[in-house]
Amino acid sequence: KAGVTQTPRYLIKTRGQQVTLSCSPISGHRSVSWYQQTPGQGLQFLFEYFSETQRNKGNFPGRFSGRQFSNSRSEMNVSTLELGDSALYLCASSFARGNTEAFFGQGTRLTVV
Amino acid sequence: GIQVEQSPPDLILQEGANSTLRCNFSDSVNNLQWFHQNPWGQLINLFYIPSGTKQNGRLSATTVATERYSLLYISSSQTTDSGVYFCAVPNANDYKLSFGAGTTVTVRA
Repeated sequence: KAGVTQTPRYLIKTRGQQVTLSCSPISGHRSVSWYQQTPGQGLQFLFEYFSETQRNKGNFPGRFSGRQFSNSRSEMNVSTLELGDSALYLCASSFARGNTEAFFGQGTRLTVV
Repeated sequence: GIQVEQSPPDLILQEGANSTLRCNFSDSVNNLQWFHQNPWGQLINLFYIPSGTKQNGRLSATTVATERYSLLYISSSQTTDSGVYFCAVPNANDYKLSFGAGTTVTVRA
């Protein structure tokens, strides 16, 4: 079956713009989490969605937001982009919350100039 | 949240060599995952291993949950094994994954 699909794969934006990233989880998976990866900070948790509800949020400013649709697809939005938002954004899909295996997409590499 | 430490941070191997990567975590966990990050950034699942030992080809992993560590073994390494290896564990109260800083493995032909 298809894996986790993230679009777009690459994105270049200028400071002050906003961006929307998309994640389609594995069919049947209802939990979607987002992570940011940077060379300096490593992999950091952004937020988790389950049944269209945000269940958990990491320590990121309010410029970072997200949502989940009834088909479990998720989007994350970053407004008023800053240079420091340049990162690889990874989406993880799980069948349920808790102790289930997480599967990651290929990521979206965002560059803010 | 749980603290995860991986060692060594870097590993350089000659093709055909064996190696062991370690992951220590600061609290009890109900599961642990090992990933290999490919050059394009995707995290590839290697093992989902709450406890015990699992093997997949030249790779194997052992988790000793009571002592809060896991080991990833690479045998007869190949150049395609190069990349960054991460371990990750979920926080008990909110399930978010905490990652180690990774071990960068370079296998030379």
